[in-house]
Amino acid sequence: DGGITQSPKYLFRKEGQNVTLSCEQNLNHDAMYWYRQDPGQGLRLIYYSQIVNDFQKGDIAEGYSVSREKKESFPLTVTSAQKNPTAFYLCASSMAGHQGTSYEQYFGPGTRLTVT
Amino acid sequence: AQSVAQPEDQVNVAEGNPLTVKCTYSVSGNPYLFWYVQYPNRGLQFLLKYITGDNLVKGSYGFEAEFNKSQTSFHLKKPSALVSDSALYFCAVRPRLKGGSYIPTFGRGTSLIVHP
Repeated sequence: DGGITQSPKYLFRKEGQNVTLSCEQNLNHDAMYWYRQDPGQGLRLIYYSQIVNDFQKGDIAEGYSVSREKKESFPLTVTSAQKNPTAFYLCASSMAGHQGTSYEQYFGPGTRLTVT
Repeated sequence: AQSVAQPEDQVNVAEGNPLTVKCTYSVSGNPYLFWYVQYPNRGLQFLLKYITGDNLVKGSYGFEAEFNKSQTSFHLKKPSALVSDSALYFCAVRPRLKGGSYIPTFGRGTSLIVHP
C-alpha cells in the first residue's frame, strides 16, 4: 500500500454522527483522491485535490466534506447528511494532478465504515 | 466523456492455464491505460500502464497487457495463472489531451478466481 496510511481500518458509528477518516501520504504527491467502493459498483470518486487548499467535488460528493491544509493530509468527513454511509473508503494519491498526465495512483489500505 | 467497460464480472481459470481479463474503453484521443489489482479488504495496487510505444506492456507479478487501438481494448494477460492471482482487477483510463479531465475513470472490476 505504498506510503499512504488510512486510519482506522474499521470504524463503527451510530446514525446521525459525523465521522472523519484520516488519510496521510509521505510520497510528496500533489494530488489526492477519495473513493467509495461498494460491492459490484467499482470505485466512485467523492472528492479530489490537486494542490493544498484546493479541492473539487467528484461524482458523489453529497454528504461528504474534505480539507487539504497540508500536502500530506486529506481527511474526509462523512456527515449525517450522507444517506448510505456504510462502505469501504479508499484514499489515493498521485504525482502532478494536472491534465493528461500518465501518472498512476497509489492507494491506501482503506477504511471500512459501518453506520448503524 | 470517457468510460471503461469490463464485460466480465468474474473470470474462472485453472492454475497453470493462461488468463485474460478484458477491458475496453472510450475516450477522446489517445489514452493512458492502467491495470490495478485489489486483494480482499485492501487498497488497489498498480500493476502496469500503457503510455506509448510497444502495444504489449509488461508489469508486476508476471502480468502483461495488450493495447489494441482499433478495438479500443487493453486486455490483461498472464501466461500461467497462480492461485495467489485470485483477486479483483480494475482497468482505468485517463485521457492524454489537454482540456479533458485528468481524473481517471475505473471499470467496475473483474473478480479473477484461479482454481487449484
